[in-house]
This record gives sequence, structure tokens and C-alpha cells, in this order.
Amino acid sequence: QQQVKQSPQSLIVQKGGIPIINCAYENTAFDYFPWYQQFPGKGPALLIAIRPDVSEKKEGRFTISFNKSAKQFSLHIMDSQPGDSATYFCAASNFNKFYFGSGTKLNVKP
Amino acid sequence: ETGVTQSPTHLIKTRGQQVTLRCSSQSGHNTVSWYQQALGQGPQFIFQYYREEENGRGNFPPRFSGLQFPNYSSELNVNALELDDSALYLCASSQLGSGSYEQYFGPGTRLTVT
Repeated sequence: QQQVKQSPQSLIVQKGGIPIINCAYENTAFDYFPWYQQFPGKGPALLIAIRPDVSEKKEGRFTISFNKSAKQFSLHIMDSQPGDSATYFCAASNFNKFYFGSGTKLNVKP
Repeated sequence: ETGVTQSPTHLIKTRGQQVTLRCSSQSGHNTVSWYQQALGQGPQFIFQYYREEENGRGNFPPRFSGLQFPNYSSELNVNALELDDSALYLCASSQLGSGSYEQYFGPGTRLTVT
């Protein structure tokens, strides 16, 4: 049973576009929702995270929107760049145990 | 870079063999979690070690076992290797009890079972 469902599986945008990646969860006990960026051959790198008492968080070009009632959260990347091309994973955590989505492969074309 | 290191980088083993993977946590972190990441998939939680004790386990069989040492470094041991064990094994360190939920990953060990 997948605890966190992520979509889309892949995404292609032009440079400057705003890719949006969505995740949904069922377990209302989750209390921390991070996003990770992973390049080929590397470990996931923490990008941005949000707690469920906040509806939106911005860090640089990255924004998380969080809808507690719908049990959904999403990542927006403003002014996307070719260097943002990577695989993005959402995750949800309870008692410091993390459950990951299946990933979204983002390709930002020049 | 996160400060979390893993060794070895790559490993090739034969089905039925045993393997030990190592992880050094980030300075100041007391908790290590291990994940298995199959190709094209998200990391799957194997187990977590806190204060040298297992502190939670995912849906993995007992042939996956671990240790945490007094310096908070950790080992993942896998016995009776199967072909499906081929994956990237990631460790992540965090500071349980600090109020911070952040978890930082190492670069991983790529295990190939033939």
C-alpha cells in the first residue's frame, strides 16, 4: 500500500515555465512534508519542507502549497531553468519515518 | 554536500551471498535511517536506528538487519542476497528529539546482485 501518491510521472516544460508536481496522502498522522531533488547517481537532496499548520511556504524559486482538508500538497518551481532538470520526490513523515512518492522526472528545455 | 558518507560506492555480489554497507551520519545527528531505492522508484524505508537500537522497521524481511555504533555510524547487513535486492541503498541522518524533522541523505551504495 503506497502511503504517498505522486503525479505526474514525468514533466517537460520550457525554460521559464512553472512546473507543478502533486502529491496526496491518506494518513492524517503525517506531520512533516518535505520535497527532495535527486540527480542521477546522487542521493536525494532536501529542497523545501512544510508542516501541516501552514498552507504555503516559499524558499527562493520553490513553493509548497498544502491543503490539509484535501490531504494534498504540491511543489511549484518558478522561472524553471535547465539546471532544475532532475527527479523530484515528495515525502510524508510520522515519528521521523519517511514515506516517499514514486517520483517525477522533470525536464526543463532551454 | 550533506556530510553523510556511505561506503562502498558500488558493489557486485552473487545471489546467496551476504553484504555489509556502511554509513557515517552528519555531525551532531543521532539517528540513521536506511532506504532501498529500486531503479525508477522512490526510496523505501527499511529501518531506523536511534541510540543503537532499532526504532522502527518497514516491510522488509529479517535478512535485512542493522547496527548503530556509539559514534552514531551505522551498518546495513543483507543475508542470502536475492536478485531483487539490486538497488541503490541510501542512508539518511537526522537529529531525533531536537524538534527538527530534517533528514539528510548520503550518496548511496549501488548494489548489483547477479
